[in-house]
Amino acid sequence: DADVTQTPRNRITKTGKRIMLECSQTKGHDRMYWYRQDPGLGLRLIYYSFDVKDINKGEISDGYSVSRQAQAKFSLSLESAIPNQTALYFCATSGGALETQYFGPGTRLLVL
Amino acid sequence: EDQVTQSPEALRLQEGESSSLNCSYTVSGLRGLFWYRQDPGKGPEFLFTLYSAGEEKEKERLKATLTKKESFLHITAPKPEDSATYLCAVRLTGGGNKLTFGTGTQLKVEL
Repeated sequence: DADVTQTPRNRITKTGKRIMLECSQTKGHDRMYWYRQDPGLGLRLIYYSFDVKDINKGEISDGYSVSRQAQAKFSLSLESAIPNQTALYFCATSGGALETQYFGPGTRLLVL
Repeated sequence: EDQVTQSPEALRLQEGESSSLNCSYTVSGLRGLFWYRQDPGKGPEFLFTLYSAGEEKEKERLKATLTKKESFLHITAPKPEDSATYLCAVRLTGGGNKLTFGTGTQLKVEL
């Protein structure tokens, strides 16, 4: 089984709808991250969490919110989706002394 | 402003034709440079971390090197299965564990 899982893998929604993307991990890591990837822009950090009680904004947090329900679960919400939030979304986790980030398989989101 | 620039944007090689990908960075303090491989429709897969100038790491046909201004990913005798996008990222001192990514090099290896 995959160490970092994301659901759904693909999602189509309409402008103004609220949606939630979910991430779960079995790696036992404390730190979790949400990124979006757009062609030509690379991966950009949306939010990150160093433990259940610690949530931090990344470089592009406007229009997004997160919830760390447990050490293993980190959800990303779009309160009112807009077309320019169409992108690939990745969850990542890190832990241990080296703090290497390991990524999930991604969610492809299309906002119409 | 901290920047990470990868070149070329795309590279097409024949099987067995060795080459190098470049990642140059202008950052205030480096606390690790990371290479990832990303296949279409999948998440980035970790390859290497380099911490200090002069450091080298190898894995199969890949070898990563680091200087004070840039990193190279050398691909020796590539095979079609090496085709992917290769991403470089830097972790800065004082930045927690946040990574700043380059936009990647899309590599295609043909028979």
